[in-house]
Amino acid sequence: EPEVTQTPSHQVTQMGQEVILRCVPISNHLYFYWYRQILGQKVEFLVSFYNNEISEKSEIFDDQFSVERPDGSNFTLKIRSTKLEDSAMYFCASSETNIQYFGAGTRLSVL
Amino acid sequence: GNSVTQMEGPVTLSEEAFLTINCTYTATGYPSLFWYVQYPGEGLQLLLKATKADDKGSNKGFEATYRKETTSFHLEKGSVQVSDSAVYFCALHWQGGSEKLVFGKGTKLTVNP
Repeated sequence: EPEVTQTPSHQVTQMGQEVILRCVPISNHLYFYWYRQILGQKVEFLVSFYNNEISEKSEIFDDQFSVERPDGSNFTLKIRSTKLEDSAMYFCASSETNIQYFGAGTRLSVL
Repeated sequence: GNSVTQMEGPVTLSEEAFLTINCTYTATGYPSLFWYVQYPGEGLQLLLKATKADDKGSNKGFEATYRKETTSFHLEKGSVQVSDSAVYFCALHWQGGSEKLVFGKGTKLTVNP
């Protein structure tokens, strides 16, 4: 069964460093998403991406964040200068209709 | 705004016990409602969904009915198994132009043999 894959599963970084989280969505899907879950809190929407541009973003998704689809298969989330409060599980999702399929997540730890 | 309130966990049950995880929502219009499940070390998997009032979603013995009058979508299973141990998330998708899913906080279920 097709699945969304995310790498790495765990990323440790120093505060102020840039990180790139990677995702390979399901191949025929056209909509892509990033969500995050801070430990003990809700899964929160960050951004959606369609037709090579951001279609919706939350207030969390500020100038520190960017997304890119650099080729036909990858979808990345970049955090330019990480803060302690960026520590969270980051989930990528993709969809063809209104059902979103999620990856296993990347746990980001900012020290 | 749209929101989902989910029963606080953790929930611990014995095998073959009855499960209910409560979920209520606040939304304008008529959202689609979902239950996702996250097994240890895995991603969020769609468990079941309902797209309109009185729809019942079902999968793997789990059921949830979209109740507009009580704005609820409670998850139930008649007889849980150890393999059902996971975190369960209630979510809504508002069909008024937003693409995002709005999630509840998640309920951790542990089933003991």
